[in-house]
Amino acid sequence: DAGVIQSPRHEVTEMGQEVTLRCKPISGHDYLFWYRQTMMRGLELLIYFNNNVPIDDSGMPEDRFSAKMPNASFSTLKIQPSEPRDSAVYFCASSTLTSGGSNEQFFGPGTRLTVL
Amino acid sequence: AQSVAQPEDQVNVAEGNPLTVKCTYSVSGNPYLFWYVQYPNRGLQFLLKYITGDNLVKGSYGFEAEFNKSQTSFHLKKPSALVSDSALYFCAFPRISGGYQKVTFGTGTKLQVIP
Repeated sequence: DAGVIQSPRHEVTEMGQEVTLRCKPISGHDYLFWYRQTMMRGLELLIYFNNNVPIDDSGMPEDRFSAKMPNASFSTLKIQPSEPRDSAVYFCASSTLTSGGSNEQFFGPGTRLTVL
Repeated sequence: AQSVAQPEDQVNVAEGNPLTVKCTYSVSGNPYLFWYVQYPNRGLQFLLKYITGDNLVKGSYGFEAEFNKSQTSFHLKKPSALVSDSALYFCAFPRISGGYQKVTFGTGTKLQVIP
């Protein structure tokens, strides 16, 4: 398996533009997580899905952020309009559920977003 | 609230010396606990986990962690540090909440191994 795939790896855009980040989870995994990592705030959970349904989006910072999972093999995180403070590394991770929640998450390589 | 804490933002150790990265937990009952490592410009990578049984857990790259219930700790250890171990390390607490899997990550500890 190729692991969790994210694209693009790097994105540079100007303030006000729409940004779409993409993620392909590991086949067979029924959980998908979106995280954001910055020096100031560390690793933050934005939203997660179970069986393509959003379960908890309380970490989404503002209405400018939205995430979808149209099928089991694809998810997007969209920022519209983007702002410089959105600059961060965005990670996607996937996992399966076991009794007690003991299965680890598998992380993608991340998308480094720079908003000028 | 149930959580994990990493009291050190950064740990420096000389190459060849033993290393310890600390994690304490505030969790009721018997927790599951994970360690992840993040190398520069990479995603987090699973190292090891404690579920139940033996308190000493062995993981990837020669790392191990000791679950200590009386001290509510799960410190990550390695007998002899390598320069290539320099990375960011996260302790994590997975569980079922409301019928769904959740994971709480610590704030991370930067390990610097000095040649």
